[in-house]
Amino acid sequence: RKEVEQDPGPFNVPEGATVAFNCTYSNSASQSFFWYRQDCRKEPKLLMSVYSSGNEDGRFTAQLNRASQYISLLIRDSKLSDSATYLCVVNADTGRRALTFGSGTRLQVQP
Amino acid sequence: DAGVIQSPRHEVTEMGQEVTLRCKPISGHDYLFWYRQTMMRGLELLIYFNNNVPIDDSGMPEDRFSAKMPNASFSTLKIQPSEPRDSAVYFCASSSGQGAYEQYFGPGTRLTVT
Repeated sequence: RKEVEQDPGPFNVPEGATVAFNCTYSNSASQSFFWYRQDCRKEPKLLMSVYSSGNEDGRFTAQLNRASQYISLLIRDSKLSDSATYLCVVNADTGRRALTFGSGTRLQVQP
Repeated sequence: DAGVIQSPRHEVTEMGQEVTLRCKPISGHDYLFWYRQTMMRGLELLIYFNNNVPIDDSGMPEDRFSAKMPNASFSTLKIQPSEPRDSAVYFCASSSGQGAYEQYFGPGTRLTVT
C-alpha cells in the first residue's frame, strides 16, 4: 500500500463548479498535512496546510479526518486558473523531516 | 524575498558525463531537500540536510549520486557517470525547521541524458 494515495483524475469541471479531492494516508502517527499545487512543468507550490479542525483559505477548504486517515480539499467557484495537479502531502514519519507526496490529482477547469 | 534558486534550469548531456546541479536555499532555512520527479515514479526524496549535515540519504538511487552542502547557502547534487534513466526534473526545496514542516521548492533542473 502506498503511504499517500490519491485518485489521479483527471477531474474535468466547468468554471464555477465545486470540486472535491480526497487523499488517504497509511501512517496513523502522521502529524503534518498539506496540499500543494503543481502546474505543468513547474515546481510544487504550497497551497495550504491542513489542520485538525479544518481550515479555509478563500475558495479552498481543507479537512482532516484522523479516524479514517483521509484528507480532503474542496474548491468552490472553480476558475480556469485552478487547472493544475494537486498533491496531497504528509509528514508520515515524525522522526524525520521528510514529506511524502501523493502522485497528484489533475484538475482541468473548462470554460 | 528570494525563493530557492537552482541552476542550471536545463541540462542536456551525454551518457557517461558528469552532471552537477546547484541549489541555494531560502536564507535562514535550516533544512534542504533534493527530489527527483518523473512521470513513472512521481516525486521522490533523494536526500536531505539539516544545518549542512546529511541526515537521510536513503533515497539516493546508487553510488553514482552524491550530494554536498558545504555551507548554509549552497548545495550540489552530482551524478557521475550519468545514464539515460537519470533523465528527470530535479528539485531542491528548503524548510525553516522551526516546528514547521512546509517546504518551498525551487524551479527545478530538467536533466536529459542522451
